[in-house]
Amino acid sequence: AQKVTQAQTEISVVEKEDVTLDCVYETRDTTYYLFWYKQPPSGELVFLIRRNSFDEQNEISGRYSWNFQKSTSSFNFTITASQVVDSAVYFCALSEWRMDSNYQLIWGAGTKLIIKP
Amino acid sequence: SAVISQKPSRDICQRGTSLTIQCQVDSQVTMMFWYRQQPGQSLTLIATANQGSEATYESGFVIDKFPISRPNLTFSTLTVSNMSPEDSSIYLCSVGLWGAKNIQYFGAGTRLSVL
Repeated sequence: AQKVTQAQTEISVVEKEDVTLDCVYETRDTTYYLFWYKQPPSGELVFLIRRNSFDEQNEISGRYSWNFQKSTSSFNFTITASQVVDSAVYFCALSEWRMDSNYQLIWGAGTKLIIKP
Repeated sequence: SAVISQKPSRDICQRGTSLTIQCQVDSQVTMMFWYRQQPGQSLTLIATANQGSEATYESGFVIDKFPISRPNLTFSTLTVSNMSPEDSSIYLCSVGLWGAKNIQYFGAGTRLSVL
């Protein structure tokens, strides 16, 4: 069965430190997509990135970077020079294609990131 | 992306009553989903709202308790029926866009408290 594991329940760092959020997934599909979402205290989930299974190139967007490694089934997320505004719960997710030709997302448990000033 | 308006943003309800949550999108979308998120927990999919047909419910969720409507490609409602305190949660609407179906964009959510 498809599964996403975010083993870090909560991480607390001091502002300007780098922090990496881990995501490990399980799937039998050869084609799949991985996602990261941010949920700040306001509650609205914000889409950050989608990565397909054929593209293992790492991605960088400003202070954010993502490391996708199929060999270890991991899709880790690093925030460089963290800021207080990065404080949020971060979810990793995996797309699952279903028999009815629809898809759904399999969600990790989330990692609560606390950035202290 | 899309602008997704969800109403109400929060409500406090009495046991045994029902609440209807609305989700309005500013453009036509292919997929609409309803999730529940209990405090400090991850997201649990309730159902996929299908335009013009009955919603597809996930295991553990039934139509009598969570009736869903989707009359067109921009609007859906979720009703939480005969509420109990266990229904206290955040309810989230999400959408998938044409051409990027498996990216889901979310509304701000409805925080429901049942007394």
